[in-house]
Amino acid sequence: KAGVTQTPRYLIKTRGQQVTLSCSPISGHRSVSWYQQTPGQGLQFLFEYFSETQRNKGNFPGRFSGRQFSNSRSEMNVSTLELGDSALYLCASSPPSATDTQYFGPGTRLTVL
Amino acid sequence: AQSVTQLDSQVPVFEEAPVELRCNYSSSVSVYLFWYVQYPNQGLQLLLKYLSGSTLVKGINGFEAEFNKSQTSFHLRKPSVHISDTAEYFCAVSENKAAGNKLTFGGGTRVLVKP
Repeated sequence: KAGVTQTPRYLIKTRGQQVTLSCSPISGHRSVSWYQQTPGQGLQFLFEYFSETQRNKGNFPGRFSGRQFSNSRSEMNVSTLELGDSALYLCASSPPSATDTQYFGPGTRLTVL
Repeated sequence: AQSVTQLDSQVPVFEEAPVELRCNYSSSVSVYLFWYVQYPNQGLQLLLKYLSGSTLVKGINGFEAEFNKSQTSFHLRKPSVHISDTAEYFCAVSENKAAGNKLTFGGGTRVLVKP
């Protein structure tokens, strides 16, 4: 079974731009969660989607948004990029049989210049 | 709200020696506990998890962890490490509830295995 895939793997943007990251969960998984990893703040939860609905949300500004499609693929969008948004963005999916367990993708490395 | 503290930011250890990574958590509700490993330029890989039952949990790659409710700890151990165990290790908790996934992570422990 293929794992969680994230595209693109690397991205360079400038301040003020917006960016969209994509995540394809493991086949059959319906829950998708997003995390931000930075050297200063560590790993922080952004949001979780289940059956196209946002089920949980972390403490991030409204510039960070996401959505989930009917095939469970998810996208997250960051508008008006700031230098501090430079991070590794990780996506994770959970199976229906073990909703407590999350399987992570390789991440998208976003650099904001 | 939960919080997780990993007491050591870095742990150097010689090859074939044992290693213990310490994790303490704080929560007002029942939690699930996890250990993840992250190799350079990769995502997180699940090592093991505690949901309920036996407090000694065995995971992949020879790792095990023990849940201690009274001390709110979930320390990770391996009796003999290999060079390939060099990585960053994260302890995480989530609320024991039916709906929703939200992991709260500790700050991570970098393990450097020396030959």
